[in-house]
Amino acid sequence: GAGVSQSPSNKVTEKGKDVELRCDPISGHTALYWYRQSLGQGLEFLIYFQGNSAPDKSGLPSDRFSAERTGGSVSTLTIQRTQQEDSAVYLCASSSRTGNEQFFGPGTRLTVL
Amino acid sequence: GDSVTQMEGPVTLSEEAFLTINCTYTATGYPSLFWYVQYPGEGLQLLLKATKADDKGSNKGFEATYRKETTSFHLEKGSVQVSDSAVYFCALMGGSGYALNFGKGTSLLVTP
Repeated sequence: GAGVSQSPSNKVTEKGKDVELRCDPISGHTALYWYRQSLGQGLEFLIYFQGNSAPDKSGLPSDRFSAERTGGSVSTLTIQRTQQEDSAVYLCASSSRTGNEQFFGPGTRLTVL
Repeated sequence: GDSVTQMEGPVTLSEEAFLTINCTYTATGYPSLFWYVQYPGEGLQLLLKATKADDKGSNKGFEATYRKETTSFHLEKGSVQVSDSAVYFCALMGGSGYALNFGKGTSLLVTP
């Protein structure tokens, strides 16, 4: 079946602009995660959604970052007023409610000029 | 807090050589441990996992044993292939039950 998909695959933006990154999880997976992969920090957890529960936003690096998940499926990660240090690959993953294996998407490479 | 330390790469091996990538962790409680692999141009894939002490995870000829006494989860393969060239990430899932905490990754290059 289809895996986790993310769009766009690449995004180049100017400092100060807002960006939206999209994630389509595997159908039927109720848990969704965002991670960030950067040269300096490695892979970092950002946010977790499980069903209709309140998300765990403890990994978001600043209040410029936000995420939502509509209808328990598609998720959007929004970065406002982008900074150069936001340049990274943003990874989305999903998992079934009862399993703990996380399936990752191909990522969105964000470059802030 | 929880953390994962893995050996720095890059690691370069000849085909059919023995591979070990060291991974140690710090965590409270009893974390689950994972190895993920990222092939060139592809997304992260789960390679193997172990959920309790002394468990051995294995897949595609790779193995790792959860050693609580040494807080380690070293990845091994007896005979590597060129197609094993990738970046390998050790990770743990701790008290949250869902957030993965990754090591920095180890790049492996296998030459013919």
